[in-house]
Amino acid sequence: NAGVTQTPKFQVLKTGQSMTLQCAQDMNHEYMSWYRQDPGMGLRLIHYSVGAGITDQGEVPNGYNVSRSTTEDFPLRLLSAAPSQTSVYFCASRSGGTSTEAFFGQGTRLTVV
Amino acid sequence: AQSVTQPDIHITVSEGASLELRCNYSYGATPYLFWYVQSPGQGLQLLLKYFSGDTLVQGIKGFEAEFKRSQSSFNLRKPSVHWSDAAEYFCAVTFGNEKLTFGTGTRLTIIP
Repeated sequence: NAGVTQTPKFQVLKTGQSMTLQCAQDMNHEYMSWYRQDPGMGLRLIHYSVGAGITDQGEVPNGYNVSRSTTEDFPLRLLSAAPSQTSVYFCASRSGGTSTEAFFGQGTRLTVV
Repeated sequence: AQSVTQPDIHITVSEGASLELRCNYSYGATPYLFWYVQSPGQGLQLLLKYFSGDTLVQGIKGFEAEFKRSQSSFNLRKPSVHWSDAAEYFCAVTFGNEKLTFGTGTRLTIIP
């Protein structure tokens, strides 16, 4: 059972480039989320989804787009990369319900130069 | 808005000593609380969680946490730390919605 799989693990982008961070889960979880982790700031929620076709913004959504066409996949798109988006990105999934734990991918370390 | 405070950015303890990491939350009446651990370069692993019932919960790796509603706290404890416990620890809360909010983390260093 793979759990939550993120690709790529590492990426370097030039300012202004676009890219998509992939996230897939095989646990049939309803909820999926994207977080970014920066030193001293913990994990901040970028976007989340409560099911296929439904997405919403978190704390820091600017510069990012998401879509959820299937239960399994929740890609994060950087439209025009900026140095401020240099971070480690984590995808997480949870089953539906109010008290379930989140399962995390291994993260994507993104550097924008 | 819901929030989590971890007041200690960095804690250093000797191997074999006891440990307590602090966590306070705000916003709602019925929190669902979690502690996660992150080893360097890794994702987050769940240590323990509290939903209801007994306010002292046991987790993996010998950790426990106590929920105190009057203090809005969910502190993590371990009676005797091991060198392998060196990591970053995150407290998280949800109030029965789809948003899971994390604290800023506490980095734990173990000295021999």
